[in-house]
Amino acid sequence: DGGITQSPKYLFRKEGQNVTLSCEQNLNHDAMYWYRQDPGQGLRLIYYSQIVNDFQKGDIAEGYSVSREKKESFPLTVTSAQKNPTAFYLCASSIDRKTQYFGPGTRLLVL
Amino acid sequence: AQTVTQSQPEMSVQEAETVTLSCTYDTSESDYYLFWYKQPPSRQMILVIRQEAYKQQNATENRFSVNFQKAAKSFSLKISDSQLGDAAMYFCAYRRGPQGGSEKLVFGKGTKLTVNP
Repeated sequence: DGGITQSPKYLFRKEGQNVTLSCEQNLNHDAMYWYRQDPGQGLRLIYYSQIVNDFQKGDIAEGYSVSREKKESFPLTVTSAQKNPTAFYLCASSIDRKTQYFGPGTRLLVL
Repeated sequence: AQTVTQSQPEMSVQEAETVTLSCTYDTSESDYYLFWYKQPPSRQMILVIRQEAYKQQNATENRFSVNFQKAAKSFSLKISDSQLGDAAMYFCAYRRGPQGGSEKLVFGKGTKLTVNP
């Protein structure tokens, strides 16, 4: 099946620990995005990538890092510098950079 | 900066009836895209419908249609023949046009739709 997969579904982070969220797509989309959703809020853009080996910061990039070594993959690392990482993280991709299609999400909790 | 406002935190509808969800936005751009996404309890964001600002004709997808009023900066979603599976959070989103640079979607805070049997 074609689509966007995110793993894990739930992730627990200890204080001072870096954790990486996986996002993979087999839709042959060039553009990929990471959003964060907090309770009662819409989504906010963390990072996006229009093409392999290139990415740009979104509105809330501090404390996060990304890489785009392959077209299919856009992992997000939540670093220890992110002081309030508890949230729902959604990855999206786009073929035309207009309409974005989302994966199932990862919930990150801090222990 | 662009903003999207959904003034109805919660709405309810009887099964088989029609409901309209409201959305207004603020922009100085003339070329942009508007979207409605559905987020069921699974929390995956599902595209419902898309509207290009340069198109005067309102978009329609089966039971879902929009009322796009560009001058009023209004973009409401009408759900006809509501079904139990329509129960979800609905988010209105804005994206600048292709010349606009920023890739991001700007989201409203959502409207929780309950469908009563």
